[in-house]
Order: sequence, then structure tokens, then C-alpha cells
Amino acid sequence: GENVEQHPSTLSVQEGDSAVIKCTYSDSASNYFPWYKQELGKRPQLIIDIRSNVGEKKDQRIAVTLNKTAKHFSLHITETQPEDSAVYFCAAIFTGGGNKLTFGTGTQLKVEL
Amino acid sequence: EPEVTQTPSHQVTQMGQEVILRCVPISNHLYFYWYRQILGQKVEFLVSFYNNEISEKSEIFDDQFSVERPDGSNFTLKIRSTKLEDSAMYFCASSGGGGLENTIYFGEGSWLTVV
Repeated sequence: GENVEQHPSTLSVQEGDSAVIKCTYSDSASNYFPWYKQELGKRPQLIIDIRSNVGEKKDQRIAVTLNKTAKHFSLHITETQPEDSAVYFCAAIFTGGGNKLTFGTGTQLKVEL
Repeated sequence: EPEVTQTPSHQVTQMGQEVILRCVPISNHLYFYWYRQILGQKVEFLVSFYNNEISEKSEIFDDQFSVERPDGSNFTLKIRSTKLEDSAMYFCASSGGGGLENTIYFGEGSWLTVV
């Protein structure tokens, strides 16, 4: 069935450093890949997304890259700040799946002062 | 900015009781979803709903679960006879049409505790 793998499960960086989170997906027909940020006890919040016809997308300090051949996509956060500390989930939508999002297992990002 | 709203924010129920979780999706959205998240785990898909019918459901969404859109604004999830393992955060979500079907926005969640 559909599967999204996410690494690392925890990531600790110093404030100002970059953070990279990687995901792989199983269905080559997937065409939409969002990233969600979830603070403790809060909703998953969409922070950036990329569609399969694009290789890279950037929004200020956040960027996402997609390699369709290798079936993986990555989230890059530059100049990290303490408020970036949260759990980040990648996800993929598998075509023909009723817009069903399949989530990765999450990455706990901690930005240390 | 429009938001998906959910009630209640937290509910404690006895095992075997029925629970209804309520959601008001974003007003011009056409696709509606329920997801759940057991504490400390990933978000899991339960069901998607479009054009007044279920478009897909997961293996979690068994006969104890049902969804309904009773009017033009509400979307509900009913659990008929709750079990201890139903304790989780339940997120309602919605997305629009016109090429934006995949851009899914989540509500703040309803935390269900079954005792």
C-alpha cells in the first residue's frame, strides 16, 4: 500500500543553522507533496507544498525540493529560529485516492539557542 | 483567514458510549475529511467526503464510524460504540475545488478520551 518514510525522527540544530528533513514515497503516481508543521497540541499547519511538475519551491526561509525519479522530497529551513521548533510532517497524495493524505512519521525539530 | 472549526475541543466519554464530533469546514470548500492522531504518533487518514458521499475510507473507518453533512455548513463524525483505542485527537479538514483539491487545511482538533 501507500507508504511515506521520513528521516530523521529527531533533529537538533543551533539557532541560525539550517535544517533538512527528508521523505521518500512509494507510489510513483503521487503528484502533490505538502509539509505540515505541528506545535504541541495544535493542528497540522500547512507551511509549503510542491506539485510533481516542479523540482523546487521556496518561500522565504523554507524550501522544498522534489526528485521524482528517486521518489523523494526534502524540506530545507535556513536561518533557523527557536519558533521553528515543532514536529514537521511530510505527506503525499496518491492519485485516485480521494485526496487522501498519507503522512510521514514526523520529525521533532529542536532549535537551540 | 478562513479556518476549519471543530467542537468540542475535548471530550471524555465512557467506553461503549456514542460520540459525535462536529466540524464547520471552510465555507467554499467542497472536500471534507477526518483524520486522527494517537498521542505521539503520525496523522492517519480516516475518511474523505465529496458531493454528499464518502469518496474513500481507511481500514480504521469500520462500521463503528459514520460521517454526515446534515446541512450546508456542518460535517460530523460519529463513533457509535467507543473503545479505549479510539482515544486520539480527531482532526477535521477541508479543501476547495478548481485545482485546489489537494490543498488541505486542518481544524484545531477534538481530543477524545475514552475511559
